[in-house]
Order: sequence, then structure tokens, then C-alpha cells
Amino acid sequence: DVKVTQSSRYLVKRTGEKVFLECVQDMDHENMFWYRQDPGLGLRLIYFSYDVKMKEKGDIPEGYSVSREKKERFSLILESASTNQTSMYLCASSFASGSGETQYFGPGTRLLVL
Amino acid sequence: GNSVTQMEGPVTLSEEAFLTINCTYTATGYPSLFWYVQYPGEGLQLLLKATKADDKGSNKGFEATYRKETTSFHLEKGSVQVSDSAVYFCATPGSSGDKLTFGTGTRLAVRP
Repeated sequence: DVKVTQSSRYLVKRTGEKVFLECVQDMDHENMFWYRQDPGLGLRLIYFSYDVKMKEKGDIPEGYSVSREKKERFSLILESASTNQTSMYLCASSFASGSGETQYFGPGTRLLVL
Repeated sequence: GNSVTQMEGPVTLSEEAFLTINCTYTATGYPSLFWYVQYPGEGLQLLLKATKADDKGSNKGFEATYRKETTSFHLEKGSVQVSDSAVYFCATPGSSGDKLTFGTGTRLAVRP
């Protein structure tokens, strides 16, 4: 079975802190994704990576950056956390086909920024 | 680009009731269509999918048929259980490549 793990289930940070969220997948997937999930807004794509060191902005990249130094690991970085970044963050991975493969999700990290 | 629209929730049903959650799509061609489920406190997991028009996806008693005539992919289950209480998301590939675009989700609550 595909396994996607996220470094924390719950995080509490203070405004202005730098925050790292880590995601690891064990299925040798080319693609990895970071989403945030907010009530009434569904899932919104923050960043997408289709290969090591390759990244593409999603719908809401402002205030975030990402790093993919190894194929299995994709990190989301909040350079200076703000209260409006309080949310559920979901990581996902998939094979690359160019036509929309099944994405496999981690359990999510619920981040609270005070 | 491609998009999906799903019915607003929440949906509240009694156990053993029939479930329909509507999803319609707007797309160029016939992209794959997905239903994902998110149980409380968890990430999303694939429930079922259909990769071409007229396909039927099924899993755990849930079914959805890819209907190009009505551009729909409605999720159905004949008899829901309390354990089906979750949020359900319809999805399709976006404008290009491997990104998926998700609906806003429909919360289902099943009463004993």
C-alpha cells in the first residue's frame, strides 16, 4: 500500500515564526502536492512538484515556499507564519502520466498560528 | 480548465437510507473522474474512479457512473451506515497535467 506520512498531526506556532511541514512518500511517485483545506473552500493547491528540485505554483502560493531535495520528501515552508495560515495542510503524491492519476494523501497537519 | 461542482451539504440521513451526492463536471474531452472520502481526523482517500465515459466506479457499496450526456458523476449508495459519515469530494484533472481540481466537499452525517 502507498504510504504518505506527514511530520506532525498538530502544530501550534506563533506569528512570525518559520514553520516547516514535512511529507514523505514510499511509492517512488514523481509528483507531490501540498494543499490547504479550509471549511467551505475545499482543497486549494499551494505548490506542486513533478520531480526532484522542480516545483510549480498552485492556486495560493503566497506566503509559502517548498523544497524537494529527494524524490520521496516534499517540504512546505511558511517563511513567517501569520494567523491567516491557520489551517489543515494535506500532502499528496501520485505517479506522473500527464492525464491525472490517483493522488494518495497523508493524514494532514492541523496548524494553529497564534 | 476542467472543473467539478458538487452539491452543498451537510446531508443528514438515517441508517439504511439511500444516498445520492451530486457532482457535475465541465471539461474538454472526457477526463477521469474521482470520488474521494475524508473520514474524521484523516486525510483524503480514493473511494472510486472512472477513467472514461460510461464507466462505472464502485467500492464499499458506493457507485458512480460517468455520464457524458448529463456531464455528471453522482455518488450513490443503497443503504448507508453510521460508519459512512464523512466528507466526500468529487475531483477531475485540471487544465493540464497531473493536478486534480476538487469540489468543495459534501459532509454526510448518518444517524443510527
